[in-house]
Amino acid sequence: EPEVTQTPSHQVTQMGQEVILRCVPISNHLYFYWYRQILGQKVEFLVSFYNNEISEKSEIFDDQFSVERPDGSNFTLKIRSTKLEDSAMYFCASSASGMRETQYFGPGTRLLVL
Amino acid sequence: QKEVEQNSGPLSVPEGAIASLNCTYSDRGSQSFFWYRQYSGKSPELIMFIYSNGDKEDGRFTAQLNKASQYVSLLIRDSQPSDSATYLCAVKGFGNEKLTFGTGTRLTIIP
Repeated sequence: EPEVTQTPSHQVTQMGQEVILRCVPISNHLYFYWYRQILGQKVEFLVSFYNNEISEKSEIFDDQFSVERPDGSNFTLKIRSTKLEDSAMYFCASSASGMRETQYFGPGTRLLVL
Repeated sequence: QKEVEQNSGPLSVPEGAIASLNCTYSDRGSQSFFWYRQYSGKSPELIMFIYSNGDKEDGRFTAQLNKASQYVSLLIRDSQPSDSATYLCAVKGFGNEKLTFGTGTRLTIIP
């Protein structure tokens, strides 16, 4: 069964450093998403991406964040200058279409900012 | 602020019994409703989705939606220890792609 994959599974970085989280969505899906979950808190939407551009973003997704689909398979989330409060689990998700379609989540990248 | 509310639990249910999980949402324009299961340290895994008022059954799971009351629930019949997890209610509004999640209900099935 097709699934969303994410790398790395864990990332430790120093405050102020740049990190890139990578995702390979399900191959025939067209909509891609990033969510995050701070430990003990709820899953929060960051950004959605369709047709090579951001279609929706949350207040969390400020200028420190960017997304890119550098080729036909990868979808990346970049955090330019990490803060302590960026420590969280980051989930990539994809769906075949945007409106009612189910979003399937990857296993996540646990980011720890020291 | 569009909110999704769930009782955080923990909810303890004996093995073989019915577990009932509830969720309310604030945005009356919400169109799609999802239940995800999340084991500790893992990603959300889809259990069911429902779009229309009424009940929808899939195996041991039944989702119930009442748009007038802005209420969605999940029933798990014949609960098994492997059902012990946090259950996340997620809602998608009209014209939105994002899922808005509740905080989740932690369910423990007691053997």
